Amino acid sequence: GENVEQHPSTLSVQEGDSAVIKCTYSDSASNYFPWYKQELGKRPQLIIDIRSNVGEKKDQRIAVTLNKTAKHFSLHITETQPEDSAVYFCAASMIAGNQFYFGTGTSLTVIP
Amino acid sequence: DAMVIQNPRYQVTQFGKPVTLSCSQTLNHNVMYWYQQKSSQAPKLLFHYYDKDFNNEADTPDNFQSRRPNTSFCFLDIRSPGLGDAAMYLCATSREGGHHSYEQYFGPGTRLTVT
Repeated sequence: GENVEQHPSTLSVQEGDSAVIKCTYSDSASNYFPWYKQELGKRPQLIIDIRSNVGEKKDQRIAVTLNKTAKHFSLHITETQPEDSAVYFCAASMIAGNQFYFGTGTSLTVIP
Repeated sequence: DAMVIQNPRYQVTQFGKPVTLSCSQTLNHNVMYWYQQKSSQAPKLLFHYYDKDFNNEADTPDNFQSRRPNTSFCFLDIRSPGLGDAAMYLCATSREGGHHSYEQYFGPGTRLTVT
């Protein structure tokens, strides 16, 4: 099956700085790459996603980039705020089978 | 309005005593998933249904079973819970499959404690 690796596992940034989280995947058949934010004790919430026919997508302070050749994609959060503190998961989904495979998560702390 | 509902939110069961977790959805999505999430770990896919077609992950223990009697409901049965099965169980849904994958909607989860 698909193998998704995510780095770093923890990340601390000063409020206002940018945060970058990177993921790699193994199966070139994966074509959908969502990012989830999970606050303690709550469900994962989709914050942005990208499909394999697009190289970059932006939504306000959040952007995702995808490099299909290298099989990696990244989450960029600009002008970070304390409420951005949470665990972020990347995931990859394959064309056939409907499976979603999650990365190991990044615990982001934004220091006021 | 709640779109993916899980009951109960908290479940305590005894070692070896069968337990059933419930998930329902109002989205009319044809794909439903069950994940296991342990503390500080990523959600781990146990299995999913595409309509009535059941798809088991290769490393999902036989102790875990699932039923989907109709589009709206999906159940996770743990036949003989062990201490290692204590976790948050997340249900999710998504629309269609085929050549595209679509956003997953997660339920609030059921936290299972095994005593």
